[in-house]
Amino acid sequence: NAGVTQTPKFQVLKTGQSMTLQCAQDMNHEYMSWYRQDPGMGLRLIHYSVGAGITDQGEVPNGYNVSRSTTEDFPLRLLSAAPSQTSVYFCASSYKPDSYNEQFFGPGTRLTVL
Amino acid sequence: LAKTTQPISMDSYEGQEVNITCSHNNIATNDYITWYQQFPSQGPRFIIQGYKTKVTNEVASLFIPADRKSSTLSLPRVSLSDTAVYYCLVAPTDSWGKFQFGAGTQVVVTP
Repeated sequence: NAGVTQTPKFQVLKTGQSMTLQCAQDMNHEYMSWYRQDPGMGLRLIHYSVGAGITDQGEVPNGYNVSRSTTEDFPLRLLSAAPSQTSVYFCASSYKPDSYNEQFFGPGTRLTVL
Repeated sequence: LAKTTQPISMDSYEGQEVNITCSHNNIATNDYITWYQQFPSQGPRFIIQGYKTKVTNEVASLFIPADRKSSTLSLPRVSLSDTAVYYCLVAPTDSWGKFQFGAGTQVVVTP
């Protein structure tokens, strides 16, 4: 299994541009999330999904869109990039047996907005 | 969501035991306590999870007192490769989704 994969690894955007960060997992996990991590900070939840067709907002959803058309993929769209969105973005997935909050994280996408 | 408080940083020498305490005073009855480890330029990695008393795996131990208002992650005999940021999370497992990572604890292990 490849686990959780994210593309691209690095991206530079100009203010106002849009783009989609890709996230895919091959573990048949129902649950997926997007986080952002600013320098020296912890992770903040942007959006999450508990199954195909079901998404919900996290702590910092403004400026981002998500959709979940398949179990495997959970893309994150930046609608109109702003310098405040410069960050490292992590995607995570999780199965959910009875009592586990274990999330499997991807390697991250480092985004710079000029 | 229960708020967590951890020390910002801890220093240790190789071979010592490192104990990181996380405070979560308003933990709910159905909340579990989960710890993650993060190396620079990588995503976090799950270490251990528990509900009460003590949990041990091949990497760490987690001690949770009866009142569950705090928890302690114990890393036995640390090595240089244990230098990382450690995060404590408190979240219910019956309503998955809204996790809050705090600032974490930077552990630096020196020779």
